[in-house]
Amino acid sequence: GAVVSQHPSWVICKSGTSVKIECRSLDFQATTMFWYRQFPKQSLMLMATSNEGSKATYEQGVEKDKFLINHASLTLSTLTVTSAHPEDSSFYICSARDTTLVAAKNIQYFGAGTRLSVL
Amino acid sequence: SQQGEEDPQALSIQEGENATMNCSYKTSINNLQWYRQNSGRGLVHLILIRSNEREKHSGRLRVTLDTSKKSSSLLITASRAADTASYFCATSGYSTLTFGKGTMLLVSP
Repeated sequence: GAVVSQHPSWVICKSGTSVKIECRSLDFQATTMFWYRQFPKQSLMLMATSNEGSKATYEQGVEKDKFLINHASLTLSTLTVTSAHPEDSSFYICSARDTTLVAAKNIQYFGAGTRLSVL
Repeated sequence: SQQGEEDPQALSIQEGENATMNCSYKTSINNLQWYRQNSGRGLVHLILIRSNEREKHSGRLRVTLDTSKKSSSLLITASRAADTASYFCATSGYSTLTFGKGTMLLVSP
């Protein structure tokens, strides 16, 4: 159980275009999902916390108009990188918590990540 | 700022040897978790240790936590080539996780 699917796994786009990344919890409902960014051989940096039915909570320094997050259902959160530029190229990873599992409520289940390359 | 700092940054061992990775953190925690990441993939949860626990085992994994020193260690016994990955500690506050920089483990056959 506790499978998180992230799509696409790899995307190449031209500078100025927008890219949408989907994160789905396949076998559980996730009221909260998280979006991270990871540079090569670096740690994961939390970008924002996505809350179902309400606005996302962005970490300091993350532009909310640049990285649009929508969490319209209990199983789907999307991250849209708007007007992407080469400096947005990175590995984006989502995660979700299954808050129905008391013993595992603090554990995050991760998607496989999306590698974004902006030309 | 990042909470956890792992050391060593990289570790290279032979199959069958034990691998020990350490993690230090700065502020109070509810729990500390270890995750594994294969190259270019997402993270997989390995083990969680609560702030009132000192040691925990799961299969070939052994985690210790010393809250007085704000440090944790992950021991992988009898390592296998398939254990090659990056290992991250993550500290948990209320709902978010803060990850360390990770230790890259290479296990050679």
